[in-house]
Amino acid sequence: EAGVAQSPRYKIIEKRQSVAFWCNPISGHATLYWYQQILGQGPKLLIQFQNNGVVDDSQLPKDRFSAERLKGVDSTLKIQPAKLEDSAVYLCASSYGTDQPQHFGDGTRLSIL
Amino acid sequence: DQQVKQNSPSLSVQEGRISILNCDYTNSMFDYFLWYKKYPAEGPTFLISISSIKDKNEDGRFTVFLNKSAKHLSLHIVPSQPGDSAVYFCAASGQSNYQLIWGAGTKLIIKP
Repeated sequence: EAGVAQSPRYKIIEKRQSVAFWCNPISGHATLYWYQQILGQGPKLLIQFQNNGVVDDSQLPKDRFSAERLKGVDSTLKIQPAKLEDSAVYLCASSYGTDQPQHFGDGTRLSIL
Repeated sequence: DQQVKQNSPSLSVQEGRISILNCDYTNSMFDYFLWYKKYPAEGPTFLISISSIKDKNEDGRFTVFLNKSAKHLSLHIVPSQPGDSAVYFCAASGQSNYQLIWGAGTKLIIKP
């Protein structure tokens, strides 16, 4: 079974620029998650999708972050404009359902200069 | 407000011995707990879980113990192997909201 695919692996941008991350979940997984992991901390949920609908985006900074999962499969997460505090690893995960273990991609390491 | 706490940032254990990683939680509504393992530059990998109706779950060398009255869980790895060197995260969720709340992780180093 192919795992969760994420791209790019690394991204360096200047503050106030925009950036987008892509995630392809495991085939058949209806639930997709985007997490932000700051160095030395555990992952923090940004947004959770069930198929193409948003289940929870309470911790997503909506003034600058957006995410979509239009066809209920792939997803993109965008930051516009980026701030220095957005430097982190952005992890995508998927699962069959909300009560099933989540499977993670290798993440995108974002550095803001 | 840290609802899930891993108070040991790192732990060093001799190969072949038992590794014990600890996790404390504050929210009594949590009823499902998971352990994930993470290697550098990779995403977390699910290791083992336990429901609040149990106090122990075992999978090969890995055993998770849950003490609900103390709001404490631990992961035992025995015997420890060099490949176990990684960061271990504890996570918890409740039935009303399946969102995972994560600890900050414990870096386990297995010494040869």
